Parts: sequence; structure tokens; C-alpha cells
Amino acid sequence: KAGVTQTPRYLIKTRGQQVTLSCSPISGHRSVSWYQQTPGQGLQFLFEYFSETQRNKGNFPGRFSGRQFSNSRSEMNVSTLELGDSALYLCASSLEHEQFFGPGTRLTVL
Amino acid sequence: SQKIEQNSEALNIQEGKTATLTCNYTNYSPAYLQWYRQDPGRGPVFLLLIRENEKEKRKERLKVTFDTTLKQSLFHITASQPADSATYLCALVHSGGYNKLIFGAGTRLAVHP
Repeated sequence: KAGVTQTPRYLIKTRGQQVTLSCSPISGHRSVSWYQQTPGQGLQFLFEYFSETQRNKGNFPGRFSGRQFSNSRSEMNVSTLELGDSALYLCASSLEHEQFFGPGTRLTVL
Repeated sequence: SQKIEQNSEALNIQEGKTATLTCNYTNYSPAYLQWYRQDPGRGPVFLLLIRENEKEKRKERLKVTFDTTLKQSLFHITASQPADSATYLCALVHSGGYNKLIFGAGTRLAVHP
């Protein structure tokens, strides 16, 4: 089975721009979660989608949003980028409790 | 306040010895706790899950314990190898939290030949 894929792998944006990241889960997995990883804050939960519905949300501002499509693929969007949004964004899919992480998208905001 | 803490210092051990990593939490009621391994530049990889009503779980050279009274989980790697060198993350799911994982900062393990 193919693993979780994320595109793009690397992205450079400037402050004020917006960005969309994509995640394709493992086939058959209906839950997709997003995390932000930074050296200072570690891994922090952004949100989880299950069957196209947001099931859980972390403590991030409204500039961070996501969605899930009927084929379970998910996207997250960050609007009005700030320097502090530079991070590794990880997507994880799951069938039950074990989460399978993708390689991440490294976002740099200049 | 709610906290989940792991040894912030790197753990250096000799090949063949047992590595023991600690995860403590405060003001959570975890339904279960998980351990992940992360290598530089890669996403975390799931290792073990232990539920609130379980005391111990094993998988090959790995063992995890869970003490809800002490609010602590211990993760052991026996007969450690240099290939075990990585950052190990503990993560819990609060009761009713579905798949919302709350991660500790991780402990870097270095196994020396």
C-alpha cells in the first residue's frame, strides 16, 4: 500500500501571501489530521477531518483552515502568511488510532 | 495547566544496553498513549500504543508501561543498536479527543557502538 503523500515537499512564500498544502491519505483511511512542527513548539495539532467533516480543531488562528474531499484527500490553507508560520507541516491518516504520517511540507516564509 | 513532558536532554547509551525514556503528563485524562520515532527530516513513525486500562505492552525489543496513578509512561528499547538512534515522541489522546494527538517535545536517543 502506498503511504501518505504530501505536496509540495518544499515551499517558499513571502509574508502576506497564502498557501495551500495537499495530503493524500493511505487508501481506505477516512481520518486525516494536520500538525505543525517547529523547533520551539514541537508538534502541534491543527485539525482533524473525518468523512469530509472537521472533527477536531487545535488552538490556531482562523488563518489556518482545511477541508477534506469525498476521496479523503485533504488540503490545508494558510492565509496572510506570517514569518512565524515557517514550519514543517505534517499530515497523518488513520484507520483507528495508529497514525501514519507523511513526509511533510517544509514551508518557509520570508 | 496541561503539560506533557519528556526528558529534554539527549540520552546517550552504549550499544547493547537498555534505553529508558520517560513521558510525564499533567491535567490530562488520556484514553491512550502512543510512542513514535522520528528521524531528521521525516515524519514520525508509529511504534506502540497503550490504553489507559493496560499496564504494559511489548513489541519485539520495545516495551512501554503506563501508570495512570503516577501519570507516567516509560518506553524501553532493549539490546539497543546504533540504528535505534532517533528522536522518540510520546503522544496522548485526551478522552473524547478522537485522533487529536498531543505530543511531548521528544527525547533524542544516541546509541554508540
